[in-house]
Amino acid sequence: GEDVEQSLFLSVREGDSSVINCTYTDSSSTYLYWYKQEPGAGLQLLTYIFSNMDMKQDQRLTVLLNKKDKHLSLRIADTQTGDSAIYFCAEKGESSGGYQKVTFGTGTKLQVIP
Amino acid sequence: DAGVTQSPTHLIKTRGQQVTLRCSPKSGHDTVSWYQQALGQGPQFIFQYYEEEERQRGNFPDRFSGHQFPNYSSELNVNALLLGDSALYLCASSHRAEQYFGPGTRLTVT
Repeated sequence: GEDVEQSLFLSVREGDSSVINCTYTDSSSTYLYWYKQEPGAGLQLLTYIFSNMDMKQDQRLTVLLNKKDKHLSLRIADTQTGDSAIYFCAEKGESSGGYQKVTFGTGTKLQVIP
Repeated sequence: DAGVTQSPTHLIKTRGQQVTLRCSPKSGHDTVSWYQQALGQGPQFIFQYYEEEERQRGNFPDRFSGHQFPNYSSELNVNALLLGDSALYLCASSHRAEQYFGPGTRLTVT
């Protein structure tokens, strides 16, 4: 079945860049997503990338995709204390019924030190 | 645009009871998915509705059922509640690539 893995924790200093990594197993992935979740809240869609792209930039966020190694990363430039949250990687791939389902990783907790 | 809305925000139920959670999708979205997020875990896919039919289902027992209405809103029903059903239940609506989540319903089973 599909599997998405992330490291559990990342600590960075305010102003530095953060890089959160993710690996996935589903070779039928069409889209890959990054979501942000703050305590007690739902998931906020940050950005997503189509599987035939290798990079996408959106303001402070840069997504890199290595489809061969099934590796996805999210770089946050000039990390701020407001970026402290849990970041989820997710992939949309084809399920056995022919429809597409989204599978999430367990999340990476980003701690930004002032 | 209000985005995805869910009700209620919090709910406390007793083992064996039944619960109904509600979701209104983002304007223009026709597909609704439900997820269960246990504490410290990523969201787990329960099922997805499109055109009022359950299109696919994750590894959840039949105690979990749902419905989608003609206006695309959706309900999640859980029967015979267990302590292990305590979690944050998230609704997501989607159209093509984009999937947006609601704030969730926190269900506590005592």
